[in-house]
Amino acid sequence: DGGITQSPKYLFRKEGQNVTLSCEQNLNHDAMYWYRQDPGQGLRLIYYSQIVNDFQKGDIAEGYSVSREKKESFPLTVTSAQKNPTAFYLCASSLTGYSNQPQHFGDGTRLSIL
Amino acid sequence: KQEVTQIPAALSVPEGENLVLNCSFTDSAIYNLQWFRQDPGKGLTSLLLIQSSQREQTSGRLNASLDKSSGRSTLYIAASQPGDSATYLCAVAPQTGANNLFFGTGTRLTVIP
Repeated sequence: DGGITQSPKYLFRKEGQNVTLSCEQNLNHDAMYWYRQDPGQGLRLIYYSQIVNDFQKGDIAEGYSVSREKKESFPLTVTSAQKNPTAFYLCASSLTGYSNQPQHFGDGTRLSIL
Repeated sequence: KQEVTQIPAALSVPEGENLVLNCSFTDSAIYNLQWFRQDPGKGLTSLLLIQSSQREQTSGRLNASLDKSSGRSTLYIAASQPGDSATYLCAVAPQTGANNLFFGTGTRLTVIP
């Protein structure tokens, strides 16, 4: 089955700890994205990558970091600098990074603070 | 900066009714507009994508319209069913060409059997 896999589904973070959220796609898409969703709010872009070994900050990149070493993978690290990390995190991909390409989403990871 | 608003935030209708969801955006310089469906605790499923040069798109019981000059889009759902219950989100892609979507806050739809 082609698609986007996010893991884990639920994640708990202790104070001062970094955690990494996994996102893998087998759609052969060049572009990948990370969004954050808070209750009652729309999705906000954290980081995006249009091609391997390249990524750009979105609207709310502070306290987060990413890497794009492989086309299939775009992990997101939530660092201890992110003071309010509790949210639902969604990963997406598109064939290219241009606006005419629809984005496909994974099922998300819910991150909570212990 | 682009701002996207969806009204109402929540809507309950009896099964079989036709309904309209609204989406407005502040900057008309968009490349396209997309409607998504989100089930509780799940990711987004794309429903319809309207290019800026188009006026509407249809898929089954769904029809989305776009009036770019007035910054508005509507999603029309015909003959609603309980399985349509979900949150519906609209998102716009900027005319710059980069695929950085701006999302609305969504409308939570409940269809009562």
